[in-house]
Amino acid sequence: QVQLQESGPGLVKPSETLSLTCTVSGFSISSGHYWGWIRQPPGKGLEWIGNINHSGSTYYNPSLKSRVTLSIDTSKNHFSLKLRSVTAADTAVYFCARVELFTTVTAIEFWFDPWGQGTLVTVSS
Amino acid sequence: SYELTQSPSVSVSPGQTARVTCSGDALPNQFAYWYQQRPGQAPVLVIYKDSERPSGIPERFSGSTSGTTVTLTISGVRAEDEADYYCQSADSNGYHHVFGTGTKVTVL
Repeated sequence: QVQLQESGPGLVKPSETLSLTCTVSGFSISSGHYWGWIRQPPGKGLEWIGNINHSGSTYYNPSLKSRVTLSIDTSKNHFSLKLRSVTAADTAVYFCARVELFTTVTAIEFWFDPWGQGTLVTVSS
Repeated sequence: SYELTQSPSVSVSPGQTARVTCSGDALPNQFAYWYQQRPGQAPVLVIYKDSERPSGIPERFSGSTSGTTVTLTISGVRAEDEADYYCQSADSNGYHHVFGTGTKVTVL
């Protein structure tokens, strides 16, 4: 069955770039699915960050779009997140997930299933 | 931006029915999705497209919709259902995709 595992530094300094990778096992990342990132500040709710597919097509949360870049490496079966110019407000557990996405006449819709276990990233000097 | 509003908490005795609601202006036009998050764990999808149940999710979980409100119903609640529950949907343009504020379900 598909499994996802986040990896990357647990501590990032303010103004620097947060970089995380999600490694997928038991499923080819080159399938027709999108792959996504979601975050959750400690004790708070969930926030969608963005989605990417095997050809590099992306959708981003408008509120984060200026600071986020998603990339994908099909040879390694993993995809990655970069978040620039981080502040303490970016401290959160970061989750990756497989995305089920479809388009309607006017919009896209998607949901996340399954999720990785998450990794805590703290922004602090 | 867009917001989905959930009641902060619901308390229910074992064997009873818990109802978790999620309100948003675009819900008549967009599907809703529900996730269960137990403490210290990743979210798990329990309902998609308003009322569809993924394989492996118990039949006691069901979803419904009425106007600007969607409802997750847990029938015959069990102790293991104690968790935070989040709805997810988008605005009418499909531009802002958001999660609800979350509801803590406590099994007494």
